[in-house]
Amino acid sequence: NAGVTQTPKFQVLKTGQSMTLQCAQDMNHEYMSWYRQDPGMGLRLIHYSVGAGITDQGEVPNGYNVSRSTTEDFPLRLLSAAPSQTSVYFCASSYRFLETQYFGPGTRLLVL
Amino acid sequence: AQSVTQPDIHITVSEGASLELRCNYSYGATPYLFWYVQSPGQGLQLLLKYFSGDTLVQGIKGFEAEFKRSQSSFNLRKPSVHWSDAAEYFCAVGTHTGNQFYFGTGTSLTVIP
Repeated sequence: NAGVTQTPKFQVLKTGQSMTLQCAQDMNHEYMSWYRQDPGMGLRLIHYSVGAGITDQGEVPNGYNVSRSTTEDFPLRLLSAAPSQTSVYFCASSYRFLETQYFGPGTRLLVL
Repeated sequence: AQSVTQPDIHITVSEGASLELRCNYSYGATPYLFWYVQSPGQGLQLLLKYFSGDTLVQGIKGFEAEFKRSQSSFNLRKPSVHWSDAAEYFCAVGTHTGNQFYFGTGTSLTVIP
């Protein structure tokens, strides 16, 4: 098992550019989620999914889109990057909500 | 609204000393509570969780936590800290409705020889 994988590991964007952060898991987990981690703020939930075809907003969804066309993949799209989106992004998955979450290694994003 | 408070931003302990990291939550119903650890440059790893039953829960790496409803707390403890325990620790609550987790701001632990 590769666990939860995230690509890229590091990305630099200019304001207004769009990009997709990739997240994949090979554990047949139903629940997947995206968090951003900022200094002094802990982790904040951006979007989550309880299964293929089902997504919902978390605490800080503005400026981000997600889709869940397969069980394995849960990409996060930045529509028009802003400096406020500079952060470290973590994807996580679990068999179901409240089961043990497994986190990916993170994507460090810098928006200039 | 749900919230998690970790009052200590940074804690320094000597190797071999005991450790207690504080966590307070705000939630109307009985919460699902978690402690995670994040080593530098890594993702998070679950240490332990509390859903119901015995209020003292054991986790990995020798950690334990006690749920105290009257104090809305879920403090993490370890009797003897090892240098490898240096990391950032996050408390989190999962809600009964909404399928969401809320994390505290974290406590950074430094272990000195």
